[in-house]
Amino acid sequence: DIQMTQSPSTLSASIRDRVTITCRASQSISTWLAWYQQKPGKAPKLLIYDASSLESGVPSRFSGSGSGTEFTLTISSPQTDDFATYYCQQYKSYPWTFGQGTKVEIK
Amino acid sequence: QVQLVESGGGVVQPGRSLRLSCVASGFTFSGYGMHWVRQAPGKGLEWVAIISYDGSNQYYADSVEGRFTISRDNSKSTLYLQINSLRAEDTAVYYCAKDPAYKKVGAPMPFDYWGQGTLVTVSS
Repeated sequence: DIQMTQSPSTLSASIRDRVTITCRASQSISTWLAWYQQKPGKAPKLLIYDASSLESGVPSRFSGSGSGTEFTLTISSPQTDDFATYYCQQYKSYPWTFGQGTKVEIK
Repeated sequence: QVQLVESGGGVVQPGRSLRLSCVASGFTFSGYGMHWVRQAPGKGLEWVAIISYDGSNQYYADSVEGRFTISRDNSKSTLYLQINSLRAEDTAVYYCAKDPAYKKVGAPMPFDYWGQGTLVTVSS
């Protein structure tokens, strides 16, 4: 199975700080990577797919980059609504696997 | 708009069985692969199973292989997950999720829509 490791596990940021979350895969997954946002008690929401493609309707302050084994999700100027938990996920091969999540809190 | 509504969760004793359902609307259900993903309380996300758009292919996580069965009824736009021999570690919110690729089997894809989830609690 492909292991996905996110860092950090928790991140404190102020409004308008630049937020960067890293996700590493245990083997190359090309760009078969997605990022999801999850708020408490809610289902995850797709933000980024194919490592850097923005899902329709997602604000442009979210961006993704990377290929192979190292990926990043950046929130250029987070708004109050962006404080949530973020997960990366590989879909190169079964079983699909997720990172352990990064909780972004307000500083 | 796309809607996925799960049901069938509840409190169940260890060793018993349960069937979860996910009713889809707002898209051509018969054209898309569907998944189940679960999340234990306070934990991360775990992919469970996938079924192809026509039901001809299914894949499972090792942790559930042999106990869980994913199926679908395209005439009812409904996805199912049969869970047998329930264990405490199966306690989780179970989400159904949609594959964005139309009539594709095996194409690498994320999950573009998710239901709100149904909670399964395994406890004596």
